[in-house]
Amino acid sequence: EAQVTQNPRYLITVTGKKLTVTCSQNMNHEYMSWYRQDPGLGLRQIYYSMNVEVTDKGDVPEGYKVSRKEKRNFPLILESPSPNQTSLYFCASRRLGPYEQYFGPGTRLTVT
Amino acid sequence: EDKVVQSPLSLVVHEGDTVTLNCSYEVTNFRSLLWYKQEKKAPTFLFMLTSSGIEKKSGRLSSILDKKELFSILNITATQTGDSAVYLCAVESSTGNQFYFGTGTSLTVIP
Repeated sequence: EAQVTQNPRYLITVTGKKLTVTCSQNMNHEYMSWYRQDPGLGLRQIYYSMNVEVTDKGDVPEGYKVSRKEKRNFPLILESPSPNQTSLYFCASRRLGPYEQYFGPGTRLTVT
Repeated sequence: EDKVVQSPLSLVVHEGDTVTLNCSYEVTNFRSLLWYKQEKKAPTFLFMLTSSGIEKKSGRLSSILDKKELFSILNITATQTGDSAVYLCAVESSTGNQFYFGTGTSLTVIP
């Protein structure tokens, strides 16, 4: 089954404790992206990647890091999480070009 | 500043009604506009529009894009309770291949 998977699905952590949210897709898509969704603000793009070893900042990259060492994986790293990073995070992927994005199930992150 | 604005923010209708959701945008180097449906989980794809004036249709849902006036509408006819969801509009810019989402329209369909 073609899908985007994210882990963990739910995470509660404390300020400053480094964490990684994994994202993997099995559709051989070149493009992968991370979004955060907050009430009243909609989905905002954090980082995206057009291919292996190519990453670019989206609208809200501060406090986040990503890497794209393999085509199928695009982890999101929070080196020192803060409470304002409490949010619902979605990973997405698609083929390059005018094609739809496929979204993962989401990761609900709470930073206390 | 690139932005996507959706209206109304929320809508409550009765089953069988027809609704029109609006999406206006100001995005540099427009490439495409996409509509998604979100029901308490990940967004699911509805339509992608790249050319102006062409209507995309799937069952009771249809959408049209006006690239001159920079807006799109999503129509849902004969609404059902299963249409209750947040509808998201997104615009892709060819400058950096970024996506810009609106805040969504929350649709509630009452039996």
